[in-house]
Amino acid sequence: RKEVEQDPGPFNVPEGATVAFNCTYSNSASQSFFWYRQDCRKEPKLLMSVYSSGNEDGRFTAQLNRASQYISLLIRDSKLSDSATYLCVVNKGTGGFKTIFGAGTRLFVKA
Amino acid sequence: EAQVTQNPRYLITVTGKKLTVTCSQNMNHEYMSWYRQDPGLGLRQIYYSMNVEVTDKGDVPEGYKVSRKEKRNFPLILESPSPNQTSLYFCASSLQGSIYEQYFGPGTRLTVT
Repeated sequence: RKEVEQDPGPFNVPEGATVAFNCTYSNSASQSFFWYRQDCRKEPKLLMSVYSSGNEDGRFTAQLNRASQYISLLIRDSKLSDSATYLCVVNKGTGGFKTIFGAGTRLFVKA
Repeated sequence: EAQVTQNPRYLITVTGKKLTVTCSQNMNHEYMSWYRQDPGLGLRQIYYSMNVEVTDKGDVPEGYKVSRKEKRNFPLILESPSPNQTSLYFCASSLQGSIYEQYFGPGTRLTVT
């Protein structure tokens, strides 16, 4: 089993749609959780950190369920510019130095 | 401008010819890390450094070396490259460990023939 698993995708959605991505992680000692965005083999960039209480940034909402070891990202009112690969990122256990990336979920938003 | 730079951006080389990919950051970050990205596998951590002269293995360290003699630089060394090291490589830095946002360089596309 992979340490971080994401929906395989791709997701093809029309503009304005709501789309949700899921991610599970295997190491219960993990402390930090993130969603990064990557455009077409360019460098990943932080989209949002994920907190236990959940957090929202405009059209984006991230949730963490520690009991189920599950992270989600919700994108509302999708824009063409949201088309990208979304990477679930988890730090590996205690110490906070090792990082595990999910394989990513590709999103295509169409007009 | 705060940034992470990598050089070269593209490199085609032959098996066994030693090479170094440089990485530099201007944000005074303590933590730096190298990743490789392969289709279907996502980014995998090669090595990381918590501070000057402190480095440790990630998940795929075989065939790579690193050094951290200065805070700003973290070169990746391939002593004897092989075709299975053909990949897209990213360097990243963060303030202190992977619990903080990591800033990535633009990537180095390496082909080993």
